[in-house]
Amino acid sequence: GQNIDQPTEMTATEGAIVQINCTYQTSGFNGLFWYQQHAGEAPTFLSYNVLDGLEEKGRFSSFLSRSKGYSYLLLKELQMKDSASYLCAVMDSNYQLIWGAGTKLIIKP
Amino acid sequence: GAVVSQHPSWVICKSGTSVKIECRSLDFQATTMFWYRQFPKQSLMLMATSNEGSKATYEQGVEKDKFLINHASLTLSTLTVTSAHPEDSSFYICSARDGTGSSGGEVDTQYFGPGTRLTVL
Repeated sequence: GQNIDQPTEMTATEGAIVQINCTYQTSGFNGLFWYQQHAGEAPTFLSYNVLDGLEEKGRFSSFLSRSKGYSYLLLKELQMKDSASYLCAVMDSNYQLIWGAGTKLIIKP
Repeated sequence: GAVVSQHPSWVICKSGTSVKIECRSLDFQATTMFWYRQFPKQSLMLMATSNEGSKATYEQGVEKDKFLINHASLTLSTLTVTSAHPEDSSFYICSARDGTGSSGGEVDTQYFGPGTRLTVL
């Protein structure tokens, strides 16, 4: 079956760096997405990786290793507004998104 | 950037009535639109996939006669919840897949609508 695994919850300190991991097993692969979701709101798109390597966008970076079925989202210089759930999703061979359950990130002052 | 809108943002209705939710891609052509449902503190649950001009494909356990989906154009899909009941109360989210890159972003990126909160009394 298809499966996306990511930690349920993580806690980090304001100003620090946090890495959220995601491992996946899917039927086919057409890219991996990271989304940020604040409570009560729809997810917002953060990044898309289809080739191995690191993609950097400001304070956020996303890494992909297709051979390992592994990705991570790196958040630097954490701010209180970064407290949210972070969803990992893989697009399978049918171009449907397979979603992880999300990682709730708690930022403490 | 690519924008997906949903209307209405929230709706309250009486049990037994039907509610229509619209999903529009404002500045790109959406070859495929997806409808999700989200229960509190849970991940998004895919309900159905619709391709423009063809019948929607429903996920297992989703009643196609209850959740009617129409995708008449490349920029509009509608979800109609028929004979709504309190257990249908939820947050409904649509997303649109840019299969051609017309959004200016990467091909096949999904863009999410803001969601519609449905409350059935």
